Amino acid sequence: AQRVTQPEKLLSVFKGAPVELKCNYSYSGSPELFWYVQYSRQRLQLLLRHISRESIKGFTADLNKGETSFHLKKPFAQEEDSAMYYCAHGSSNTGKLIFGQGTTLQVKP
Amino acid sequence: GAGVSQSPSNKVTEKGKDVELRCDPISGHTALYWYRQSLGQGLEFLIYFQGNSAPDKSGLPSDRFSAERTGGSVSTLTIQRTQQEDSAVYLCASSPGKGRRGIYGYTFGSGTRLTVV
Repeated sequence: AQRVTQPEKLLSVFKGAPVELKCNYSYSGSPELFWYVQYSRQRLQLLLRHISRESIKGFTADLNKGETSFHLKKPFAQEEDSAMYYCAHGSSNTGKLIFGQGTTLQVKP
Repeated sequence: GAGVSQSPSNKVTEKGKDVELRCDPISGHTALYWYRQSLGQGLEFLIYFQGNSAPDKSGLPSDRFSAERTGGSVSTLTIQRTQQEDSAVYLCASSPGKGRRGIYGYTFGSGTRLTVV
C-alpha cells in the first residue's frame, strides 16, 4: 500500500541556514512524487514534482529510489519560506495522491 | 471558473445534524478529490472521482460519509449525523487526471472549515 512519511512535525531554522524537509515513501510501482506548500491563510498549492526536475523558489527535491526518499532542500532559507509542507506520492495507475502528515517550517529572523 | 470553489467556507453545526459541503472544480478537469485536513492528522484522503469511472471511496471513514459528482462537474460531500470528531477542514481538489508524462498536479480549493458543537 502507498504510504508517505514525514518524520518531522516542526522544523525550525534561522534565516540563511540550509533546510532539508524529509520525506520517505513506500510503493512497489513507479513512484510519482510531489511537494505541496500551504502558506498562512492561503490555499494548498503545488511546489514541485519530481518528474519536472525543476527548482521553484530555490527549492529542489531529488528522488532517491534506493532510499525511497524525496527530501526537499533549500541552501539558504528565507523568512517567507515559513509554511506547512506536504510530501505526496501518486499512484501511476489511478492518479490519486497520498499525502504525508506535513512538516511546519519556521524560519526565524 | 478560474479556480476550485468550495462552499460554505465555514460551517458550524450541532452534533447529530447532517451537513453538505459543495465543490465546484475547474472546468474541464476530469478528476476531483476530497481530503480532510486536521491538526496532527495531515491530509487524509476521502474519495476520488475520475471521469465516468466508479469513484474510489476507500478513504471514507464511515458510512455516515458519502459524496456524489453530478454531470462530471460539481461535487457534494455529505456527512450524516455529524460527530465532534468530524470537525476539520474539508478540502476539494481537481486535476486533469493523468497524462502521458504522469500525474498532473492538483488545484485545491480554500476548504470548508466544519465545526461540530
